[in-house]
Amino acid sequence: KQEVTQIPAALSVPEGENLVLNCSFTDSAIYNLQWFRQDPGKGLTSLLLIQSSQREQTSGRLNASLDKSSGRSTLYIAASQPGDSATYLCAVDGGSRLTFGEGTQLTVNP
Amino acid sequence: SQTIHQWPATLVQPVGSPLSLECTVEGTSNPNLYWYRQAAGRGLQLLFYSVGIGQISSEVPQNLSASRPQDRQFILSSKKLLLSDSGFYLCAWTGLINEKLFFGSGTQLSVL
Repeated sequence: KQEVTQIPAALSVPEGENLVLNCSFTDSAIYNLQWFRQDPGKGLTSLLLIQSSQREQTSGRLNASLDKSSGRSTLYIAASQPGDSATYLCAVDGGSRLTFGEGTQLTVNP
Repeated sequence: SQTIHQWPATLVQPVGSPLSLECTVEGTSNPNLYWYRQAAGRGLQLLFYSVGIGQISSEVPQNLSASRPQDRQFILSSKKLLLSDSGFYLCAWTGLINEKLFFGSGTQLSVL
């Protein structure tokens, strides 16, 4: 059974700081890994999708990496802004369904 | 472009009452559809998924059921709600394998 863990559970940083969110998974037989953002009381927004054959994906200030053999992914946020404050979830696709981590709650302080 | 609609946004229901949450997708055909539940401060739990009309797979035994009467319509139901059914319910869709998963705005259900 796939298990996804995200560390840390919460993170508070000053504006402008670069930061890394971590995601680990137990079963490396995955099709892809996605990073999502969730604002309070809202649905999830897909940020980046990394195919199992890829090592990283970039979108603006976001960069996600994938090391399938070690079961790890990181989401790097450059020059953080208060608008980046949200919960970030990673999810791995094992074929028929996604398995989600419990998320990292990020607060960026002005 | 594709859009997903989910309603209502908020719902307060007494224990033992029925439930019907609806989700529709526009701008695509034959989507894979999903119902998730998110407990406060927790990750997402997959409840049901559907790869076509009338095809429903249940992930977790529970007091809920799902139906897909039309290609782009997915309904979550219960005949009698329990207190433990409270939570944030999210509908989602995806197209082909290895594509992004797109979520609706969610329904906050409180069973009192």
